[in-house]
Amino acid sequence: QVQLKESGPGLVAPSQSLSITCTVSGFSLSRYSVHWVRQPPGKGLEWLGMIWGGGSTDYNSALKSRLSISKDNSKSQVFLKMNSLQTDDTAMYYCARGYGNQYYFDYWGQGTTLTVSS
Amino acid sequence: ENVLTQSPAIMSASPGEKVTMTCRASSSVSSSYLHWYQQKSGASPKLWIYSTSNLASGVPARFSGSGSGTSYSLTISSVEAEDAATYYCQQYSGYPLYTFGGGTKLEIK
Repeated sequence: QVQLKESGPGLVAPSQSLSITCTVSGFSLSRYSVHWVRQPPGKGLEWLGMIWGGGSTDYNSALKSRLSISKDNSKSQVFLKMNSLQTDDTAMYYCARGYGNQYYFDYWGQGTTLTVSS
Repeated sequence: ENVLTQSPAIMSASPGEKVTMTCRASSSVSSSYLHWYQQKSGASPKLWIYSTSNLASGVPARFSGSGSGTSYSLTISSVEAEDAATYYCQQYSGYPLYTFGGGTKLEIK
Protein backbone atom coordinates (compact mmCIF):
# COMPACT_ATOMS: atom_id res chain seq x y z
CA GLN A 1 0.00 0.00 0.00
CA VAL A 2 1.00 3.64 -0.43
CA GLN A 3 3.07 4.99 2.44
CA LEU A 4 5.13 8.11 3.05
CA LYS A 5 7.36 8.65 6.05
CA GLU A 6 9.25 11.80 6.99
CA SER A 7 12.47 11.91 8.98
CA GLY A 8 14.25 14.99 10.20
CA PRO A 9 16.57 16.45 12.84
CA GLY A 10 13.88 17.50 15.33
CA LEU A 11 15.76 20.55 16.65
CA VAL A 12 17.70 23.15 14.67
CA ALA A 13 19.31 26.40 15.82
CA PRO A 14 18.20 29.73 14.34
CA SER A 15 19.96 30.72 11.12
CA GLN A 16 20.91 27.10 10.44
CA SER A 17 19.68 24.85 7.63
CA LEU A 18 17.22 21.98 7.62
CA SER A 19 17.10 18.76 5.69
CA ILE A 20 14.10 16.44 5.86
CA THR A 21 13.72 13.15 4.00
CA CYS A 22 10.47 11.63 2.81
CA THR A 23 10.76 7.89 2.13
CA VAL A 24 7.91 6.46 0.07
CA SER A 25 6.66 2.98 -0.74
CA GLY A 26 3.86 1.52 -2.79
CA PHE A 27 4.32 3.87 -5.73
CA SER A 28 7.01 5.16 -8.06
CA LEU A 29 8.44 8.65 -7.67
CA SER A 30 8.88 8.79 -11.42
CA ARG A 31 5.08 8.61 -11.88
CA TYR A 32 3.77 10.82 -9.08
CA SER A 33 4.53 14.24 -7.65
CA VAL A 34 5.42 14.68 -3.99
CA HIS A 35 4.60 17.82 -2.05
CA TRP A 36 5.79 19.35 1.20
CA VAL A 37 3.26 20.97 3.57
CA ARG A 38 3.89 22.39 7.02
CA GLN A 39 1.71 23.20 10.01
CA PRO A 40 2.88 25.44 12.86
CA PRO A 41 1.63 24.41 16.29
CA GLY A 42 -2.09 25.13 16.62
CA LYS A 43 -2.29 26.68 13.15
CA GLY A 44 -3.31 25.77 9.62
CA LEU A 45 -1.62 24.13 6.65
CA GLU A 46 0.87 25.84 4.35
CA TRP A 47 2.01 24.40 1.03
CA LEU A 48 5.79 24.69 0.62
CA GLY A 49 6.59 23.15 -2.72
CA MET A 50 6.65 20.06 -4.88
CA ILE A 51 8.69 17.86 -7.14
CA TRP A 52 7.09 16.39 -10.23
CA GLY A 53 7.61 12.84 -11.42
CA GLY A 54 9.94 14.14 -14.12
CA GLY A 55 12.07 15.95 -11.55
CA SER A 56 11.07 19.58 -12.06
CA THR A 57 10.10 21.61 -9.02
CA ASP A 58 7.67 24.35 -8.01
CA TYR A 59 7.76 26.39 -4.83
CA ASN A 60 5.62 28.66 -2.70
CA SER A 61 6.74 32.06 -3.90
CA ALA A 62 6.95 33.36 -0.32
CA LEU A 63 9.58 30.77 0.57
CA LYS A 64 11.20 30.06 -2.78
CA SER A 65 14.52 31.72 -1.96
CA ARG A 66 15.04 29.44 1.07
CA LEU A 67 13.78 26.12 -0.28
CA SER A 68 15.18 23.31 -2.35
CA ILE A 69 13.43 20.04 -3.15
CA SER A 70 15.15 17.08 -4.79
CA LYS A 71 14.74 13.32 -4.98
CA ASP A 72 16.41 9.99 -5.58
CA ASN A 73 14.00 7.76 -7.49
CA SER A 74 16.15 4.68 -6.97
CA LYS A 75 15.94 5.07 -3.20
CA SER A 76 12.30 6.26 -3.23
CA GLN A 77 13.31 9.34 -1.30
CA VAL A 78 12.40 13.02 -1.59
CA PHE A 79 14.42 15.71 0.16
CA LEU A 80 13.41 19.11 1.52
CA LYS A 81 16.13 21.59 2.31
CA MET A 82 15.44 24.98 3.88
CA ASN A 83 18.02 27.53 4.92
CA SER A 84 18.13 30.56 7.22
CA LEU A 85 15.68 29.02 9.67
CA GLN A 86 13.85 31.22 12.15
CA THR A 87 11.64 30.44 15.12
CA ASP A 88 8.50 30.84 13.00
CA ASP A 89 9.66 27.87 10.89
CA THR A 90 8.84 25.69 13.90
CA ALA A 91 6.16 23.33 12.60
CA MET A 92 5.13 19.82 11.71
CA TYR A 93 6.44 19.07 8.22
CA TYR A 94 4.47 16.65 6.04
CA CYS A 95 5.16 15.11 2.69
CA ALA A 96 2.17 14.14 0.59
CA ARG A 97 1.58 12.47 -2.75
CA GLY A 98 0.03 14.59 -5.44
CA TYR A 99 -2.77 13.22 -7.56
CA GLY A 100 -2.36 14.02 -11.22
CA ASN A 101 -4.42 16.57 -13.02
CA GLN A 102 -6.86 17.33 -10.22
CA TYR A 103 -4.17 18.71 -7.96
CA TYR A 104 -4.97 17.26 -4.59
CA PHE A 105 -2.99 15.28 -2.04
CA ASP A 106 -4.24 11.73 -1.73
CA TYR A 107 -1.76 10.24 0.75
CA TRP A 108 0.10 11.96 3.56
CA GLY A 109 2.99 10.99 5.77
CA GLN A 110 2.77 11.05 9.55
CA GLY A 111 4.84 14.24 9.70
CA THR A 112 8.07 15.17 11.41
CA THR A 113 8.30 17.88 14.04
CA LEU A 114 10.84 20.64 13.62
CA THR A 115 11.66 23.04 16.44
CA VAL A 116 13.85 26.06 15.70
CA SER A 117 15.42 27.16 18.94
CA SER A 118 18.76 28.05 20.45
CA GLU B 1 -2.60 34.48 -4.55
CA ASN B 2 -6.06 33.01 -4.21
CA VAL B 3 -6.98 33.31 -0.53
CA LEU B 4 -9.43 30.79 0.94
CA THR B 5 -11.52 31.93 3.91
CA GLN B 6 -13.32 29.27 5.91
CA SER B 7 -16.27 29.94 8.20
CA PRO B 8 -17.03 29.49 10.92
CA ALA B 9 -13.62 28.99 12.46
CA ILE B 10 -15.14 26.87 15.22
CA MET B 11 -18.54 25.24 15.36
CA SER B 12 -20.29 22.97 17.81
CA ALA B 13 -23.05 20.50 17.02
CA SER B 14 -25.02 17.79 18.74
CA PRO B 15 -25.14 14.25 17.35
CA GLY B 16 -27.79 14.02 14.68
CA GLU B 17 -27.64 17.68 13.70
CA LYS B 18 -27.03 18.83 10.14
CA VAL B 19 -23.98 21.07 9.79
CA THR B 20 -22.58 23.13 6.94
CA MET B 21 -19.23 24.87 6.72
CA THR B 22 -18.14 27.17 3.95
CA CYS B 23 -15.00 28.00 2.02
CA ARG B 24 -14.86 31.25 0.09
CA ALA B 25 -12.15 32.10 -2.43
CA SER B 26 -10.86 35.56 -3.28
CA SER B 27 -10.87 34.57 -6.96
CA SER B 28 -12.85 31.97 -8.85
CA VAL B 29 -11.71 28.36 -8.50
CA SER B 30 -12.52 25.55 -10.89
CA SER B 31 -14.77 23.05 -9.15
CA SER B 32 -12.33 20.35 -10.27
CA TYR B 33 -9.62 21.94 -8.15
CA LEU B 34 -11.40 22.53 -4.83
CA HIS B 35 -10.83 19.81 -2.23
CA TRP B 36 -11.43 19.13 1.46
CA TYR B 37 -9.32 17.38 4.11
CA GLN B 38 -10.16 16.11 7.57
CA GLN B 39 -7.57 16.36 10.31
CA LYS B 40 -8.12 14.87 13.72
CA SER B 41 -6.09 16.00 16.70
CA GLY B 42 -2.52 14.70 16.55
CA ALA B 43 -2.98 13.09 13.14
CA SER B 44 -2.09 13.89 9.54
CA PRO B 45 -4.69 15.40 7.23
CA LYS B 46 -6.74 12.95 5.19
CA LEU B 47 -8.23 13.60 1.78
CA TRP B 48 -11.97 13.80 2.43
CA ILE B 49 -13.74 15.30 -0.57
CA TYR B 50 -12.11 15.93 -3.94
CA SER B 51 -13.19 18.06 -6.85
CA THR B 52 -15.97 19.74 -4.86
CA SER B 53 -18.31 16.80 -4.40
CA ASN B 54 -16.54 13.44 -4.70
CA LEU B 55 -16.11 11.51 -1.49
CA ALA B 56 -12.70 9.96 -0.94
CA SER B 57 -12.50 6.26 -0.26
CA GLY B 58 -14.04 5.30 3.05
CA VAL B 59 -15.78 8.63 3.70
CA PRO B 60 -19.30 8.13 5.05
CA ALA B 61 -22.20 9.06 2.81
CA ARG B 62 -23.47 11.57 5.38
CA PHE B 63 -20.79 13.91 4.04
CA SER B 64 -21.36 15.94 0.91
CA GLY B 65 -19.74 18.84 -0.88
CA SER B 66 -21.04 21.46 -3.26
CA GLY B 67 -20.27 24.83 -4.74
CA SER B 68 -18.84 26.71 -7.66
CA GLY B 69 -16.89 29.81 -8.49
CA THR B 70 -15.85 31.45 -5.23
CA SER B 71 -18.17 29.69 -2.78
CA TYR B 72 -17.97 26.07 -1.65
CA SER B 73 -19.40 24.11 1.23
CA LEU B 74 -19.08 20.85 3.12
CA THR B 75 -22.23 19.46 4.72
CA ILE B 76 -22.73 16.65 7.20
CA SER B 77 -26.35 15.48 7.12
CA SER B 78 -26.34 13.94 10.60
CA VAL B 79 -23.27 14.58 12.68
CA GLU B 80 -21.68 11.73 14.63
CA ALA B 81 -19.11 11.85 17.42
CA GLU B 82 -16.39 10.53 15.11
CA ASP B 83 -16.75 13.61 12.89
CA ALA B 84 -15.04 15.83 15.47
CA ALA B 85 -12.06 17.24 13.58
CA THR B 86 -10.75 20.26 11.72
CA TYR B 87 -11.72 20.48 8.08
CA TYR B 88 -9.55 22.34 5.56
CA CYS B 89 -10.40 23.34 2.04
CA GLN B 90 -7.60 23.48 -0.57
CA GLN B 91 -7.45 24.88 -4.05
CA TYR B 92 -5.26 24.89 -7.08
CA SER B 93 -5.89 27.89 -9.24
CA GLY B 94 -2.90 28.49 -11.29
CA TYR B 95 0.71 27.79 -11.79
CA PRO B 96 2.32 27.08 -9.46
CA LEU B 97 0.35 27.64 -6.31
CA TYR B 98 -1.71 25.57 -3.91
CA THR B 99 -3.43 27.20 -0.95
CA PHE B 100 -5.39 26.02 2.06
CA GLY B 101 -8.14 27.67 4.02
CA GLY B 102 -7.65 28.41 7.69
CA GLY B 103 -9.81 25.47 8.74
CA THR B 104 -13.12 24.89 10.51
CA LYS B 105 -12.94 23.05 13.80
CA LEU B 106 -16.02 20.94 14.44
CA GLU B 107 -16.75 20.07 18.04
CA ILE B 108 -19.41 17.56 19.05
CA LYS B 109 -21.50 18.39 22.12
